[in-house]
Amino acid sequence: EVQLVESGGGLVQPGGSLRLSCAASGFTFRNYWMTWVRQAPGKGPEWVASITQDGSEKYYVDSVKGRFTISRDNAKSSLYLQMNSLRAGDTAMYYCVRVGYDILTGDYWGQGTLVTVSS
Amino acid sequence: DIQMTQSPSTLSASVGDRVTITCRASQSISSWLAWYQQKPGKAPKLLIYKASSLESGVPSRFSGSGSETEFTLTISSLQPDDFATYFCQQYNINSPWTFGQGTKVEIK
Repeated sequence: EVQLVESGGGLVQPGGSLRLSCAASGFTFRNYWMTWVRQAPGKGPEWVASITQDGSEKYYVDSVKGRFTISRDNAKSSLYLQMNSLRAGDTAMYYCVRVGYDILTGDYWGQGTLVTVSS
Repeated sequence: DIQMTQSPSTLSASVGDRVTITCRASQSISSWLAWYQQKPGKAPKLLIYKASSLESGVPSRFSGSGSETEFTLTISSLQPDDFATYFCQQYNINSPWTFGQGTKVEIK
């Protein structure tokens, strides 16, 4: 069974940092693109960042470029999101998402980890 | 970025009703469209990909159609488990994923 379990969210002050983690199991992690998607309360989801299977290519939404870094450790079947210079607008549930091999979009989502940026 | 517009925002229906949700893209996305179902406090669940392909394990009462800029999600006979919010999402090649604002299906 595919499982994606996020951790690392919490309350942080504006300008602060957090590192989100996603532990994957039930599939061959190194074979899949992975993605972070966030969802602010009462809003639709928003794509944040994606990473290729070997981590050689990374893509970001414009609003987080230069502040967030996506990375992965295939030996540990883990995905990460380092978030710096956090803003109130970054407040959201953050989901770890597997990109389906043939589907080319998100086929499995974790349960999410909540990030709240507030003073 | 490609904008996705869903209608209606809220839909009131009864068990057994046929329900249709529409999604429009601001430019052609061929068939690179997915539909997700989300229940309160849960992650989105993939229902349909490539506009009309049913994800494994999803009941056949769900169907998708359309191409280019106009798409629909149809639930042929609404069941109690189907009351939820539905999102469309485009994943056109070389474009960042974008999602619609959601359609909440409520009990009439």
